[in-house]
Amino acid sequence: GAGVSQSPSNKVTEKGKDVELRCDPISGHTALYWYRQSLGQGLEFLIYFQGNSAPDKSGLPSDRFSAERTGGSVSTLTIQRTQQEDSAVYLCASSLDAGKDEFFGPGTRLTVL
Amino acid sequence: AQSVTQLGSHVSVSEGALVLLRCNYSSSVPPYLFWYVQYPNQGLQLLLKYTSAATLVKGINGFEAEFKKSETSFHLTKPSAHMSDAAEYFCAVTLSGGYNKLIFGAGTRLAVHP
Repeated sequence: GAGVSQSPSNKVTEKGKDVELRCDPISGHTALYWYRQSLGQGLEFLIYFQGNSAPDKSGLPSDRFSAERTGGSVSTLTIQRTQQEDSAVYLCASSLDAGKDEFFGPGTRLTVL
Repeated sequence: AQSVTQLGSHVSVSEGALVLLRCNYSSSVPPYLFWYVQYPNQGLQLLLKYTSAATLVKGINGFEAEFKKSETSFHLTKPSAHMSDAAEYFCAVTLSGGYNKLIFGAGTRLAVHP
């Protein structure tokens, strides 16, 4: 596709369940980012992948959050034992390389009941 | 460390009026600065960016922003608001020359009324 895609677009889960959010970056983009947009915290950086380098995980809010990027393309953000405060829109972005413009996907709206 | 402050969480203007959205930044190194727009139920779209070239930056949809180092500001303006400009606008900063770990402001919701 032409842009960054994310799935699902909406996810409703029960507290304590695990969820996986998927991001398909623009083809050829080596850098991939996850952000979270919530009412209380605004837009926050979560994690950054660049090529084969070790990811920058400095924005992950707790050890319940993890992400991986397989084959330098698709990325999955996993939240274990979800809590109500995890409810937010999770945005993925990719860029051609470090320091280049980021293109954002439409986001996944996560609601934890 | 970098930070961004957007003054005014909500701004309302009349159609045809000047749009001014304020952004002040804090950075210990020369920054790159960005404005993003988010339309309802859509992802973020880059409006414009400053990367240490011209201080007056022109973006899409008639928006522009001026980098003022002395004021640590990067305010977004548009001479004449259109109804379609109603959206949320985010100012962001990142390290120059580094990867784009964007630090965002809290956002300003722009309403345009007839």
